[in-house]
Amino acid sequence: DTAVSQTPKYLVTQMGNDKSIKCEQNLGHDTMYWYKQDSKKFLKIMFSYNNKELIINETVPNRFSPKSPDKAHLNLHINSLELGDSAVYFCASSQVPRENTEAFFGQGTRLTVV
Amino acid sequence: GNSVTQMEGPVTLSEEAFLTINCTYTATGYPSLFWYVQYPGEGLQLLLKATKADDKGSNKGFEATYRKETTSFHLEKGSVQVSDSAVYFCALKGNYGQNFVFGPGTRLSVLP
Repeated sequence: DTAVSQTPKYLVTQMGNDKSIKCEQNLGHDTMYWYKQDSKKFLKIMFSYNNKELIINETVPNRFSPKSPDKAHLNLHINSLELGDSAVYFCASSQVPRENTEAFFGQGTRLTVV
Repeated sequence: GNSVTQMEGPVTLSEEAFLTINCTYTATGYPSLFWYVQYPGEGLQLLLKATKADDKGSNKGFEATYRKETTSFHLEKGSVQVSDSAVYFCALKGNYGQNFVFGPGTRLSVLP
């Protein structure tokens, strides 16, 4: 079984559209994350979320919003897509607050805005 | 805030060469340190980790030692293979529920 799974793997859409990326983890972890990886492979945290607290990176536009229907899911909604949103988006999870546990990553969603 | 610095890539080596990828960090307290690997078209996978000073993480022939005195966690492998070609990320996780912080990644290409 895949520990952290994202869908879709590829997403091509036009500017101005609204889209969602789904993420599910079957590890029983408390915390989930969304990261954005740009063309130079740099990883930037967008959100971290557990069932108590949402922490938003203040540089993330409010067009991006996480939605968590339950502890195992953290979906990413993006409104009014822009060309600059093209990137690979990774979902991850970990067991917090155990600081020595690693994050487990999904396979990524490559978003292309045209 | 916490930060991670890695050597700039790309790094190109011949098969069986010795590999070092430097990583240094800035953090308050006693962070846990990680190396992740990303193969083409895939997500990040944990390669190894160390959770306290002087710990050595190792996996698949790769090693890294947590050096608090130099705030470093350099990745080494004695003999690289073509299959090691990937992007390598150094990362830390601070205390008190802080997020994972990743370095910029180092692309490694191993030629036969």
